[in-house]
Amino acid sequence: KQEVTQIPAALSVPEGENLVLNCSFTDSAIYNLQWFRQDPGKGLTSLLLIQSSQREQTSGRLNASLDKSSGRSTLYIAASQPGDSATYLCARVSNTGKLIFGQGTTLQVKP
Amino acid sequence: NAGVTQTPKFRILKIGQSMTLQCAQDMNHNYMYWYRQDPGMGLKLIYYSVGAGITDKGEVPNGYNVSRSTTEDFPLRLELAAPSQTSVYFCASSPGLAGGTGELFFGEGSRLTVL
Repeated sequence: KQEVTQIPAALSVPEGENLVLNCSFTDSAIYNLQWFRQDPGKGLTSLLLIQSSQREQTSGRLNASLDKSSGRSTLYIAASQPGDSATYLCARVSNTGKLIFGQGTTLQVKP
Repeated sequence: NAGVTQTPKFRILKIGQSMTLQCAQDMNHNYMYWYRQDPGMGLKLIYYSVGAGITDKGEVPNGYNVSRSTTEDFPLRLELAAPSQTSVYFCASSPGLAGGTGELFFGEGSRLTVL
């Protein structure tokens, strides 16, 4: 059973649209939840980190929320731009340090 | 600081050969991880370590071995390489949970092809 699930697997939107990426996890005993961006053929870039005691974090046009009781995190991207096109991955860190990734959501923002 | 350094960046192996992917970090991080990423997929945890002398299996450990004799180094050993191990391998480190955020730092990846 997948420990961390991301929906949708792929998303295509016109430039300027606000969008939400979803991440759900089965183990509520998390230490933190992290969101990453990956461009094709590249490594991972850290976007946001939410501690288990926090409910959300913001960086520029990005806002990530965490609801431990429902096992969900969302990444909100405001006023999307073509440069936002990439794969977005969430990762759950357990209280023992084990870090598991979701499968990712591939985002395409069309000009 | 160099951060997390992985070597080699590219390698081609024949079926049945063995090799070691090297990972070193100079941030004095306690936690280190090895992941593999297949085309179009997310990252799968192979092994991880929460400190020198301590290692634990992740989601896909079969066919791999690790050791953690020092805080800085976390090599990944492939024994009897198989085509199914063709992938991009990422090493990562974290300061750990005690007193820290647990933020993850990644190496640039090692692309391995088994023919």
